Order: sequence, then C-alpha cells, then structure tokens
Amino acid sequence: DAGITQSPRHKVTETGTPVTLRCHQTENHRYMYWYRQDPGHGLRLIHYSYGVKDTDKGEVSDGYSVSRSKTEDFLLTLESATSSQTSVYFCAIRRELDGETQYFGPGTRLLVL
Amino acid sequence: GENVEQHPSTLSVQEGDSAVIKCTYSDSASNYFPWYKQELGKRPQLIIDIRSNVGEKKDQRIAVTLNKTAKHFSLHITETQPEDSAVYFCAAQKGRQFYFGTGTSLTVIP
Repeated sequence: DAGITQSPRHKVTETGTPVTLRCHQTENHRYMYWYRQDPGHGLRLIHYSYGVKDTDKGEVSDGYSVSRSKTEDFLLTLESATSSQTSVYFCAIRRELDGETQYFGPGTRLLVL
Repeated sequence: GENVEQHPSTLSVQEGDSAVIKCTYSDSASNYFPWYKQELGKRPQLIIDIRSNVGEKKDQRIAVTLNKTAKHFSLHITETQPEDSAVYFCAAQKGRQFYFGTGTSLTVIP
C-alpha cells in the first residue's frame, strides 16, 4: 500500500460548503498527486506536488486548491463544492526508488448534494 | 500535455483465452508506461510497466509491448482467469505528470 492513507474515506456535503481531503504518506516521497475518477474519464490529474510548498496544476484544477506544508501530508480543498465535483478522489505517490512508479491511496468518495 | 487513447472500452473473453488492450499516446517525450488493474471499489494497482528503452516486458501471464515509432503500447494477458475481471488503465508519463487512458472493462467468462 506504500503507506498511503486518505481521510475521510466517504463524505457527503452540500453545494457551496468548503471541503478538505487529506492524503498522508509514511515513506517520505517527494512527489504526491491528486486525481479524480469519473465514469468514462479514467483518472484525471487535479494537482500535484514535487516537494514541500511546491505544487502545480493538472488538467482539471479549476475549483480546487492544494497545500503541502510538510512532506507527509498533501491536502486538497474544494473552496465551494459543486455537484460536478461529486467523484472518487485518489491520492498517489511516486516511488522514485522504483523508477517512476506511482502507487495510489484507497480513495475518498465525495458526494455533493 | 499528452493524449492517451485506450481501446477497447469493454472486452469479454472466455476463460483460458487471451486478452489484448491497446493504448496510443501523442507525445514522443513520454518515456514510462505503467498499466493498472482496478477492481470494483478498490484503488488502481500497478500490474506491469515498461520504459521507453525497452520493447517488451513479461511477468508470468502478463506482457506489455511498446512501439515507440508508432507511439502505441499494448497489454497482453494469456490464459485468462475469472479473477482477471477488472478495469485496466494504461498511462504515459511525461515529465512530472502521468496521463491515463479511459479504461477497459475486462470480463472473463467461466
């Protein structure tokens, strides 16, 4: 499992409320990623981080922000949740000792009503 | 960016037959190509990968081939078993980012 946990695992919220998802890793990897998974779209990159305080946007970053204040935690925030952000969110790390291999966390199911 | 296309979107095979899933990519700068298997309600799990300096890689019943000139790579599963039923994703890495195909739902019929 590459020591990756995500919290919460399930969340139901209302449109317009802020939501923060947490990804935690125990192996000190530099790279961390947030993806969303929707039927018919596969996995789409939201944001990623290549070190503490170093983050960059992916292909579907609108409406999302991230923060990484310490190596082990990567936070994804929906400032004002919308129904289109209902999805399954996966965090991933890149294990550079294995080359480029990415390993995924267990996922967070988010429902925005 | 990078555009990864995956085909077919669904695939049904009889147990014991082979399954082939194909992906194409658009940017020759992509240099690493992993394949993931995802069972219902679970996380994607890496099953095999290949780097751009290798043409083929095999791990028991699973193999991946890469044609850099044509910019396509394929997953081959031989002697399929019911437990191979899942969604399979290909991906291409370019720089710091990974770009995923839209997935193939494989059903192995006993």
